[in-house]
Amino acid sequence: AQSVTQLGSHVSVSEGALVLLRCNYSSSVPPYLFWYVQYPNQGLQLLLKYTTGATLVKGINGFEAEFKKSETSFHLTKPSAHMSDAAEYFCAVRSSGTYKYIFGTGTRLKVLA
Amino acid sequence: DSGVTQTPKHLITATGQRVTLRCSPRSGDLSVYWYQQSLDQGLQFLIQYYNGEERAKGNILERFSAQQFPDLHSELNLSSLELGDSALYFCASSVTGDSGNEQFFGPGTRLTVL
Repeated sequence: AQSVTQLGSHVSVSEGALVLLRCNYSSSVPPYLFWYVQYPNQGLQLLLKYTTGATLVKGINGFEAEFKKSETSFHLTKPSAHMSDAAEYFCAVRSSGTYKYIFGTGTRLKVLA
Repeated sequence: DSGVTQTPKHLITATGQRVTLRCSPRSGDLSVYWYQQSLDQGLQFLIQYYNGEERAKGNILERFSAQQFPDLHSELNLSSLELGDSALYFCASSVTGDSGNEQFFGPGTRLTVL
């Protein structure tokens, strides 16, 4: 069975500091992994995804994530936080050969001036 | 703007009633997904359709049903509504239903059951 765990429902960082949002997954087959961002009163928008190939994936707005199979992790990072990064971030997994997406519970990122 | 449209934006109704939420996917997308987002349950996958056929089912209650029409728009029907059904309902679409496809989310319909 697939599952996703996002550690930390709330994360606060200072503007200019490193952003690290954690995601661990469970899947019995090779997974497809996604990070989505949700701004207030909006739908979700894809930041980046891992399907196959290079394990370091670059996304929009300066975000990137690394697929680490040995650690079953797909943590999201950004070197320098910007005020506009304040939003809720969701990690999602979909195992190859299945059609269900499983989303994590979300991490709300707060950026402090 | 993702290209996915959902109507209505807001819906207020009473317990026991029935409502229909509508979703139009992005042009060219064949697959439609429905999600429920609530404070206590997070984002829950409900159901997926691909080119008119049901493809995957998630945590969808028996009181809820959905369908995808020949023009590819989709409707989510919620009946015998309960207070706990109050939530944001998102529709998403993708080109195909394949596992690696990106989903494009609509702005959501906020349902309030009084």
